[in-house]
Amino acid sequence: EDQVTQSPEALRLQEGESSSLNCSYTVSGLRGLFWYRQDPGKGPEFLFTLYSAGEEKEKERLKATLTKKESFLHITAPKPEDSATYLCAVQNGGSQGNLIFGKGTKLSVKP
Amino acid sequence: GAGVSQSPRYKVTKRGQDVTLRCDPISSHATLYWYQQALGQGPEFLTYFNYEAQPDKSGLPSDRFSAERPEGSISTLTIQRTEQRDSAMYRCASSLGLNTEAFFGQGTRLTVV
Repeated sequence: EDQVTQSPEALRLQEGESSSLNCSYTVSGLRGLFWYRQDPGKGPEFLFTLYSAGEEKEKERLKATLTKKESFLHITAPKPEDSATYLCAVQNGGSQGNLIFGKGTKLSVKP
Repeated sequence: GAGVSQSPRYKVTKRGQDVTLRCDPISSHATLYWYQQALGQGPEFLTYFNYEAQPDKSGLPSDRFSAERPEGSISTLTIQRTEQRDSAMYRCASSLGLNTEAFFGQGTRLTVV
């Protein structure tokens, strides 16, 4: 059964304190791995798509990496506005349309 | 449109009533998804459309749930004979095609009393 596990469930950082969020997955034939950011009361906002092991993508203070078993979302020198829940999702080779989401990591960045 | 639009934003209904939720995707997006999201959880897949075709409805919890997209644009999700356990946030998303990033709407918060 395809599964996505995110850790930690919650993370508190001081402004400027870099860290990483983990997304471990088991999937039958990875078609793509997606990172989303979700603010309270809003829909998930797309950040990155990764398709193959070794791939990396960056956007401002965020960098996503992918291996055959997990993905990391690295946050460098975070700011309070980076506070949100970060969701990871995978799409398997046979599902076509189904994105399987993890439960998310709730990030709080204190000034 | 500029983004995915869902209506209503909030819906309170009595147990046993039918409800219909609407999703207006980004124009030109071929693929449309419906998800259910409980508080503190990630979205859970319900069904999706590729244009008007509905290749996968494996995530629909029961036969009380149905979805349509008759002209390949606007979609509706209908829940018949609602039950309290149906209370959740229902999210719609659309994408240009399969395997491309999906853009989510604000969701419809359904409360069954």
